[in-house]
Amino acid sequence: ETGVTQSPTHLIKTRGQQVTLRCSSQSGHNTVSWYQQALGQGPQFIFQYYREEENGRGNFPPRFSGLQFPNYSSELNVNALELDDSALYLCASRFREGSGANVLTFGAGSRLTVL
Amino acid sequence: SQQGEEDPQALSIQEGENATMNCSYKTSINNLQWYRQNSGRGLVHLILIRSNEREKHSGRLRVTLDTSKKSSSLLITASRAADTASYFCATGDAGGTSYGKLTFGQGTILTVHP
Repeated sequence: ETGVTQSPTHLIKTRGQQVTLRCSSQSGHNTVSWYQQALGQGPQFIFQYYREEENGRGNFPPRFSGLQFPNYSSELNVNALELDDSALYLCASRFREGSGANVLTFGAGSRLTVL
Repeated sequence: SQQGEEDPQALSIQEGENATMNCSYKTSINNLQWYRQNSGRGLVHLILIRSNEREKHSGRLRVTLDTSKKSSSLLITASRAADTASYFCATGDAGGTSYGKLTFGQGTILTVHP
């Protein structure tokens, strides 16, 4: 059903470690955004990438960083993990050109647990 | 921070009944969308209503938007057990260029009993 795939689906890290989450978007979807969803909350916007450049960021510290690659894949990196980083991380993509309506296609998410 | 609040936080109904959930938001918007999420998985887009529209239908879904009150409602008619999920409203900022940025509410957990 979804054209966005994320890996890994689950992972456990300890405080202070670093993590890389991966996302493969639909072909032609040149905008990718990342969201953090804590348990029982709605998703919160982390940042977005368009044509491999970050062009929008939410209220997250610099230890959250990302990359977007020409093959429509992207990464979310989080350094110096904290307990509060435990959450479901969602990748979403869209095709930017067109109507401008920002309907997003989401992946199934990566659930990160920080101990 | 969340854009606004959704009401109710949880809703439990029987199959065949209608489910109504409400969403409020704080800023000017281009459009408002509703998404569905099953069991902590990815979100699926359901319906979008633009700021100049007042009502929209899609199958068993009916969405209304009142920009003067900064509120929206989602009605699911003739609910089914398979509709059990969390439902989120999401808004895109008016005049914004962050096309990948949506601001989500906290969601309504809908349980439909067979």
